[in-house]
Amino acid sequence: GAVVSQHPSRVICKSGTSVKIECRSLDFQATTMFWYRQFPKQSLMLMATSNEGSKATYEQGVEKDKFLINHASLTLSTLTVTSAHPEDSSFYICSARDFGAEQYFGPGTRLTVT
Amino acid sequence: DAKTTQPNSMESNEEEPVHLPCNHSTISGTDYIHWYRQLPSQGPEYVIHGLTSNVNNRMASLAIAEDRKSSTLILHRATLRDAAVYYCILRDDSGGSNYKLTFGKGTLLTVNP
Repeated sequence: GAVVSQHPSRVICKSGTSVKIECRSLDFQATTMFWYRQFPKQSLMLMATSNEGSKATYEQGVEKDKFLINHASLTLSTLTVTSAHPEDSSFYICSARDFGAEQYFGPGTRLTVT
Repeated sequence: DAKTTQPNSMESNEEEPVHLPCNHSTISGTDYIHWYRQLPSQGPEYVIHGLTSNVNNRMASLAIAEDRKSSTLILHRATLRDAAVYYCILRDDSGGSNYKLTFGKGTLLTVNP
């Protein structure tokens, strides 16, 4: 089956620094990638949708200047959390859609901002 | 987005069938019914999806009401590894929404040994 990886799986950073999370589709080309955030005991919240070679579309209430998304190739998307603060600590999950309609999820990245 | 309603939690015993209900009274003609599950500290995993007819795969079965306003995910023999949060999601597969998934609160399934 289709596999999506995320790197790193866990990251701890200091307040005010930036951190980049990678999402890769390992055995298929992803036309669209999605980024979600999940706080403890809550559901996944869609942050943004990115199509390869285009600017990401952000959901209402998500700051595009704080959460930079780059989808430079059909197998890689990155999410950069800029000037991270403790309230940005969360579980970040990406998913990737192939040329069909199926969507495959990554294992998630646990971000802790101290 | 069309919304779904699921019980917050359900409990089952190992090796017994589990029926997870989902109400979606405002479903539109282009909405597919998708089920995903999420184990603790992992990304969601696809379970099954359907449009109008009942569907079976190696993981589960999906029973869809004739009026499509509700559906039931059936795990035929629950195992401890099936303990997870199960999400019932309507997705507009007409293509205009990039096929994005909007997650609700889901049902936390507990499986007792």
